[in-house]
Amino acid sequence: QQQVKQSPQSLIVQKGGISIINCAYENTAFDYFPWYQQFPGKGPALLIAIRPDVSEKKEGRFTISFNKSAKQFSLHIMDSQPGDSATYFCAATTTTSGTYKYIFGTGTRLKVLA
Amino acid sequence: NAGVTQTPKFQVLKTGQSMTLQCAQDMNHNSMYWYRQDPGMGLRLIYYSASEGTTDKGEVPNGYNVSRLNKREFSLRLESAAPSQTSVYFCASSAGQRLLTFGSGTRLTVV
Repeated sequence: QQQVKQSPQSLIVQKGGISIINCAYENTAFDYFPWYQQFPGKGPALLIAIRPDVSEKKEGRFTISFNKSAKQFSLHIMDSQPGDSATYFCAATTTTSGTYKYIFGTGTRLKVLA
Repeated sequence: NAGVTQTPKFQVLKTGQSMTLQCAQDMNHNSMYWYRQDPGMGLRLIYYSASEGTTDKGEVPNGYNVSRLNKREFSLRLESAAPSQTSVYFCASSAGQRLLTFGSGTRLTVV
């Protein structure tokens, strides 16, 4: 119940195309869903996040779509650029006694071809 | 404006050796975390410290110990390194606002 399942494991997209990464969860106690972006040799960095009372959140070319009933959420990267080539992790968080618990997906390695 | 600083960046150990990975944050965050990242496994929580003076086990604590030295510093110790502990280790911190700030990682190889 604690897992967050992420797909695909890897993704190749042409420059200007749309990149879509999907995540699914089981635990209905999760109440915050961030996405992290990681470039080679660096630590993950927060990209965008959404709460379950919102169905979509957009920041520039990055959009999270959230389907509470299906317990699924996805990251869409519009007009993908070579600079977007990175590994993307979805995550889900919940709180226990005031401490946040993060469960990460297994990651998607995105390569955008020039 | 360093954020989360990890040392060392790279380390090679022989099986059975011990070492301590250091982590310090300058953002006055209460919570700190140690993760390991392995191919196809994502980020798995080893230990965390919700606040100064407290530590708790995460998903994969076996073979590790931690010390929350003060509010800034959270170290991870491998007492007797094993090849299965070859990984990239990330320290992270949080102000309790659901957002993690990660360090740049320590790449550890155990031979």
